Order: sequence, then structure tokens, then C-alpha cells
Amino acid sequence: DGGITQSPKYLFRKEGQNVTLSCEQNLNHDAMYWYRQDPGQGLRLIYYSQIVNDFQKGDIAEGYSVSREKKESFPLTVTSAQKNPTAFYLCASSTDSREQFFGPGTRLTVL
Amino acid sequence: EDQVTQSPEALRLQEGESSSLNCSYTVSGLRGLFWYRQDPGKGPEFLFTLYSAGEEKEKERLKATLTKKESFLHITAPKPEDSATYLCAVRSSGTYKYIFGTGTRLKVLA
Repeated sequence: DGGITQSPKYLFRKEGQNVTLSCEQNLNHDAMYWYRQDPGQGLRLIYYSQIVNDFQKGDIAEGYSVSREKKESFPLTVTSAQKNPTAFYLCASSTDSREQFFGPGTRLTVL
Repeated sequence: EDQVTQSPEALRLQEGESSSLNCSYTVSGLRGLFWYRQDPGKGPEFLFTLYSAGEEKEKERLKATLTKKESFLHITAPKPEDSATYLCAVRSSGTYKYIFGTGTRLKVLA
């Protein structure tokens, strides 16, 4: 089955620690995205990548970093510079101007 | 600036009571308007894509329509399993970015 996988489902981070969220897709989509979702708010774009080895900052990129070494993979690192990282993180992919498909999400909690 | 506004924020319906959700948008050249359903703790599930004014799409009890300024998601005779948050998003010309509204939380009571 084609789709997007995210891991882990739940992640706990201590203060000052970097953590990496995994996102893999087998839909052969060129573009991949990372969003953050907080209660009562819409999806906010963190980073997106249109092609391998290239990515652009979204609206809330500070404190986050990404890489796109393979078409299928787009990992997100939440660094210690992100002061309020507790949120639900969603990865998505799309092709051309068509609909995005989303993964199941990772819930990150700061201890 | 591209913008999406959804209304109402929350909606409670009795089972079988039809209603509509609204998505108003401003965008510089619409490349697509997208509806999603999101259940608590899960990723959004794609429902419909609309590309031009006058277009309509249907799926079971849901029907999406599009004008030059807004889209409606009509829910006919809803059932409790239709309870979810419904998200609207747009994509404008010349960008790979999608702009999302804050969603409508729908609760259908048995």
C-alpha cells in the first residue's frame, strides 16, 4: 500500500535536547512538507521541499531543521532552540498542484 | 496575502439534520481548493479537490462546491460517524505552499 509513515507516534524530549522525527513516503511524490498543529489553530508550515537536496523555510522554521537526501525521506529535527516544541507534528507529500496526503502524526511532549 | 477562513468554528447537529460548512478564501490565482477530514490524534484525510468556480464533488453524504470567493461542504443526513474536524486549504499560483483554515469541529448527536 502506498502512503506516508511517521515515527515515532509519541516522543518525549527533555529540556536542551535535540530530537528527530521521521517521515517516509512511497507515493513517488516530489514535494514533502512538515506542519505543526496546536489546539485550536490551523496547520502551520515549518519547512517544505520540492525536490531532493533542496528545501525552503515555512512560516515557523525557527528552532527546526530538515534534510532531503532521498526522495522518499524528509526528517525533521527539533532543536533546543525551539522554545515551545510541545505540539502535534504532521508530515505530508504531494505532486504538482494536487492534494496533499498526510502521515498519522507525531505527538511531541517536552518534559 | 493568501488567506483562508472557515466558519463556524464548531457545529452540533442532530443525526439526520443537514447543514453546510463554509470556507472563504482570498488567493492570488487559485491552483486548487482542498477539503480534509481530521479525527482526534490523527492526520488529515483527503476528501475533495476543486479547481474552478462552479465545480462540485460528491462522496457519500458529503458534497463540496466552489465559487470564486468561497467553498461549501454540504453534509446531508449526517450520522454520528461524521463527527470530526473538517479542514479547508488552498494553493495559489507560483507556490508549493498550501494555506489552511483553522477548521470546523463537527459533532453529530445520535
